[in-house]
Amino acid sequence: QKEVEQDPGPLSVPEGAIVSLNCTYSNSAFQYFMWYRQYSRKGPELLMYTYSSGNKEDGRFTAQVDKSSKYISLFIRDSQPSDSATYLCAMSVRGFGNEKLTFGTGTRLTIIP
Amino acid sequence: NAGVMQNPRHLVRRRGQEARLRCSPVKGHSHVYWYRQLPEEGLKFMVYLQKENIIDESGMPKERFSAEFPKEGPSILRIQQVVRGDSAAYFCASSQGQMNTEAFFGQGTRLTVV
Repeated sequence: QKEVEQDPGPLSVPEGAIVSLNCTYSNSAFQYFMWYRQYSRKGPELLMYTYSSGNKEDGRFTAQVDKSSKYISLFIRDSQPSDSATYLCAMSVRGFGNEKLTFGTGTRLTIIP
Repeated sequence: NAGVMQNPRHLVRRRGQEARLRCSPVKGHSHVYWYRQLPEEGLKFMVYLQKENIIDESGMPKERFSAEFPKEGPSILRIQQVVRGDSAAYFCASSQGQMNTEAFFGQGTRLTVV
């Protein structure tokens, strides 16, 4: 069993729709949860991070963490064609600046104009 | 503010040759991480280095792979006697090394072994 499971998609939704991306994990020691966006042939860029359980909102993006279920989500509201990319969840135990990250496989998202 | 610079962007090697991938971190960053991304897979951690020290190499294959981050110059990921299975995108990230600071990723080096 992988430490982090993520549906690879692909996921296609019409422009303006709400997108829900999810990951599950098995390591209860994870405390830092991140979402990265990766455009084709580019490096990942950090979208949002959350420490422990709870919600965090940044513009059209909302990250949720449910540690009791070992389940994290990223919601994208009013999706735009420019949101088309691969979205990777990542996790770590102590932080994300001084230790390794464990990534999901990524979900390929396409927003249809 | 120059980001993480990786070169070359694309590298083709024949089986049995050596591959050298270079990573120049963000100015002021002293921590470097290497990840490998195989087709249709997420990023897999390989090694975490500080200047002149390997902090965590738990993701590095035991043979043929080595990494360094010298006092001066870029970090180098070296793969000796490459095989077709080494074909992948190799990403470097750098950070200031503090818990809640972001690690910035480079654009990656795409290694193809023919």
